[in-house]
Amino acid sequence: DIQMTQSPSSVSASVGDSVTITCRASQDINNWLAWYQQKPGKAPKLLISAASTLQSGVPSRFSGGASGTHFTLTISSLQPEDFATYYCQQAKGAPDTFGQGTKVDVK
Amino acid sequence: EVELVESGGGLVQPGGSLRLSCVAYGFSLSGHWISWVRQAPGKGLEWVAHISPDGSYINYVDSVEGRFTISRDNARNSVILQMSNLKSADAAMYYCARTASDRGLDLWGQGTLVTVSS
Repeated sequence: DIQMTQSPSSVSASVGDSVTITCRASQDINNWLAWYQQKPGKAPKLLISAASTLQSGVPSRFSGGASGTHFTLTISSLQPEDFATYYCQQAKGAPDTFGQGTKVDVK
Repeated sequence: EVELVESGGGLVQPGGSLRLSCVAYGFSLSGHWISWVRQAPGKGLEWVAHISPDGSYINYVDSVEGRFTISRDNARNSVILQMSNLKSADAAMYYCARTASDRGLDLWGQGTLVTVSS
């Protein structure tokens, strides 16, 4: 199975800060990598697919990057509505594993 | 409105069974892979299973293999997750989700809660 190692597990930040979350795959996943945002009591929301494709309606302050098996989600200029938990997921091969999650909270 | 609606969760004793349903509204499920993803209370997301549009390709996470069965009824625009021999570790919110062409899960239901307890 492909393992996804996500870091950090939590980050404290202020409105206006830039935040970067990292996921590393245990093997090549051909950029089949998605990022999700989840708020308490809600279903996850797809932000980015195929490592860097921003979903319709998602603000441009969210961006995804990839270099080999190393993937990043960057939130530039954090907004109040961005405080949430973020997950990466690989979709190269079943099981389509998720990272452990990163909670972004208020500093 | 385009949405997925799960149902069938509830309280079940260890060793018991439950049948979860995921029904699509506002679009046809027949052209999409559908996944089930679960989340234990206070924990992260865990992918459970998925099924191809025609039902010919199915995969499960190891921990549910042999106990869970995913199936679909395209005529009823629905996907089913039959769960048997349930364990306490299976207690979670269960979400169904649609897979887009770039493999992201682009539409999620609101979830249905499964509680396993004696």
